[in-house]
Amino acid sequence: DTGVSQNPRHKITKRGQNVTFRCDPISEHNRLYWYRQTLGQGPEFLTYFQNEAQLEKSRLLSDRFSAERPKGSFSTLEIQRTEQGDSAMYLCASSYSGRTDTQYFGPGTRLTVL
Amino acid sequence: TQLLEQSPQFLSIQEGENLTVYCNSSSVFSSLQWYRQEPGEGPVLLVTVVTGGEVKKLKRLTFQFGDARKDSSLHITAAQPGDTGLYLCAGEGGDSSYKLIFGSGTRLLVRP
Repeated sequence: DTGVSQNPRHKITKRGQNVTFRCDPISEHNRLYWYRQTLGQGPEFLTYFQNEAQLEKSRLLSDRFSAERPKGSFSTLEIQRTEQGDSAMYLCASSYSGRTDTQYFGPGTRLTVL
Repeated sequence: TQLLEQSPQFLSIQEGENLTVYCNSSSVFSSLQWYRQEPGEGPVLLVTVVTGGEVKKLKRLTFQFGDARKDSSLHITAAQPGDTGLYLCAGEGGDSSYKLIFGSGTRLLVRP
């Protein structure tokens, strides 16, 4: 079990550019979550998938954000026309549906928008 | 809107001291998870509590879930410098939503 992996770990981009992040969940986990964390705060929920279906999206997820999970395996989070306010740590977590939904987090992708 | 208030926000103590971190809400959670996070890394799961009144021990760490499943505490006995980090509580909302609602975290510094 290699845990949840995320790539890249760091991304620096200029305002207006598009960026894409990838998350590979723990292999037997059917749920995958995206969170965003800014400095000094706890993570905030963005969206989650059960298998390939995107079941919930936060109001934080503006039209510039899109997430996919083709075939119910890895997921990508794309941000179009990045803004300085998008600078944050983007965290991915996965879980296996059961009595409790314990979520295991990846190391995160730190995005800096200049 | 479900909110989790975590206190204190920052704690600086001497090695060997005891401490308690609190996590409170007006909402009921189906489960509550505690994580520890190092700078530049993702949160690492410490424990999940599910049943009201449940107490779990992990070496020098004791976790308690309130009877009404609205609050939780983390108690560390004889803190060590290796305990330094950001401690986060997170509640699972239920109502067919599995997202976690996080507190803002408690930053712990244990001085040698």
